[in-house]
Amino acid sequence: AQSVSQHNHHVILSEAASLELGCNYSYGGTVNLFWYVQYPGQHLQLLLKYFSGDPLVKGIKGFEAEFIKSKFSFNLRKPSVQWSDTAEYFCAVTSLSGGYNKLIFGAGTRLAVHP
Amino acid sequence: KAGVTQTPRYLIKTRGQQVTLSCSPISGHRSVSWYQQTPGQGLQFLFEYFSETQRNKGNFPGRFSGRQFSNSRSEMNVSTLELGDSALYLCASSERQGIAEAFFGQGTRLTVV
Repeated sequence: AQSVSQHNHHVILSEAASLELGCNYSYGGTVNLFWYVQYPGQHLQLLLKYFSGDPLVKGIKGFEAEFIKSKFSFNLRKPSVQWSDTAEYFCAVTSLSGGYNKLIFGAGTRLAVHP
Repeated sequence: KAGVTQTPRYLIKTRGQQVTLSCSPISGHRSVSWYQQTPGQGLQFLFEYFSETQRNKGNFPGRFSGRQFSNSRSEMNVSTLELGDSALYLCASSERQGIAEAFFGQGTRLTVV
């Protein structure tokens, strides 16, 4: 069965620090990859997605992610975080065999950014 | 364009009762998926509907069911509620089946007492 692992459950950073959140998935076929963010009290929002093409994907609010097929990874990065980035981040995958509209989510990473 | 709308936002039910949650997708979106979010299990896929047909189903008991109407609006129903059904239920809509991004609603917070 497909699964998604997010390595860090809680991350605490100071403003202007760099961020990297790890995400690995277990599936050998073609996948589509997503990062969603859930700000306190708000709905899940799409940060960025990878369907095909350039493995370095740029999303909203200065976030980017790199798809490394050989490592089954899709890590999220931001060079300089802000207090407003405090949120929970979810990595997710879909595939042809699993159903393209069936998102398999990781457990999430809670990010706290201190001013 | 209005986003995904879920009603009600909050519900309190008693064990053994049943509940129906509603989801209106983004206009023009034909695929609706449902997810359960809990602190212990995280985000888990319940089922997906497209063109009024269930296309995919997660590993939930038969007490969880859903349907989709011709205008793409969807409902999910949970019968014989258990305490463990307390969760945030999220609805997501996509334009189509296939490679597409999902847009989520605010969710319905169900508390079973």
